[in-house]
Amino acid sequence: DAKTTQPPSMDCAEGRAANLPCNHSTISGNEYVYWYRQIHSQGPQYIIHGLKNNETNEMASLIITEDRKSSTLILPHATLRDTAVYYCIVRVAAGGTSYGKLTFGQGTILTVHP
Amino acid sequence: EAQVTQNPRYLITVTGKKLTVTCSQNMNHEYMSWYRQDPGLGLRQIYYSMNVEVTDKGDVPEGYKVSRKEKRNFPLILESPSPNQTSLYFCASQITRTPSYEQYFGPGTRLTVT
Repeated sequence: DAKTTQPPSMDCAEGRAANLPCNHSTISGNEYVYWYRQIHSQGPQYIIHGLKNNETNEMASLIITEDRKSSTLILPHATLRDTAVYYCIVRVAAGGTSYGKLTFGQGTILTVHP
Repeated sequence: EAQVTQNPRYLITVTGKKLTVTCSQNMNHEYMSWYRQDPGLGLRQIYYSMNVEVTDKGDVPEGYKVSRKEKRNFPLILESPSPNQTSLYFCASQITRTPSYEQYFGPGTRLTVT
């Protein structure tokens, strides 16, 4: 799986958009970008994934650069409940002996302020 | 409600006393996995199972056993717990029959071995 680099921490004001960057310069053509978050020692929660197109769901948007070497997770209107550690993970969707294993780095601690 | 459950949620035990942490999922997922999370080390995979009666080692399997006799259950067994197994443990599950993107995590089990 490709290595990812994220800033260790970020702050955001409540109600504003939170933009969390991730670098994955060694990503392969069949690897997806996944985002998970972990709220205060709870189980990690899936947020969104993408291959090369921008994606949006009810939780967030994912913007992937054209060369796929970096991406940005956008929480459009951050709330206090979005305070969490956000993990960017790059891996294939299925197949191979590492199927299913998620390699979590240190992630970005997002703190949303009132 | 689709979910992964773990029991117990908190456990304090003594060195050498065998224990089992249960994990159950109600989504008919083939793939299940155990992770442990330690400060500064992130989440690391202990064991995983691709389906009933199919299990394999993850990155840190020493001191642990698992079994997969039924699709829904994937217990983690510590035959002789030691203090270095004090950690936060997460069970996870995922579908494998089709390309899958979302892994579901349990709420965690905080284990302390004295």
